[in-house]
Amino acid sequence: AQSVTQLGSHVSVSEGALVLLRCNYSSSVPPYLFWYVQYPNQGLQLLLKYTTGATLVKGINGFEAEFKKSETSFHLTKPSAHMSDAAEYFCAVSAPGYGNNRLAFGKGNQVVVIP
Amino acid sequence: GAGVSQSPRYKVAKRGQDVALRCDPISGHVSLFWYQQALGQGPEFLTYFQNEAQLDKSGLPSDRFFAERPEGSVSTLKIQRTQQEDSAVYLCASSLVQGVHEQYFGPGTRLTVT
Repeated sequence: AQSVTQLGSHVSVSEGALVLLRCNYSSSVPPYLFWYVQYPNQGLQLLLKYTTGATLVKGINGFEAEFKKSETSFHLTKPSAHMSDAAEYFCAVSAPGYGNNRLAFGKGNQVVVIP
Repeated sequence: GAGVSQSPRYKVAKRGQDVALRCDPISGHVSLFWYQQALGQGPEFLTYFQNEAQLDKSGLPSDRFFAERPEGSVSTLKIQRTQQEDSAVYLCASSLVQGVHEQYFGPGTRLTVT
């Protein structure tokens, strides 16, 4: 079974500062990793995903994440926070190549951007 | 194009009532998933369909929960004899095929059991 750990439910960041959200995963098989964003009263939107190949993946809205197998991590970063980045962010893992199509989510990080 | 839609968006039920939540996936999407998101938590997997076949229902919390997708398109999640602990947002997602393809999420149905 796969699982994800996200620490620090609330993250405050100043506008223009670096956004760093940490995600560590557990998986007995090569994982697929995802970051989703959720705005109030909306569904989840995919920011970026890692399946195979290049370990640094770029997503929408200037976000990127790096898959580090040795650290079992997939941290999300954005160089400069914008007010519109205020939302909840979820890291998720699956293993579709091994018959596991479900997404296992972390508890999420609520990001607050301070002007 | 149209995304995943869910109805109703909000549902208030008295304890013991039955509820039915509907999901309209993106046209042509083979895979359909249901997730439950409790307040302050990440979504938790409930069940998965490939076309009309329910391939995984291991996440359904009790036999009061039942899901169907009879024609391989629209899906309904039914909860019988609702309990307060069933209060959550129920999310539906669809994907073109299983696996690597992105899961597209609907806005969810917020169920409140009083």
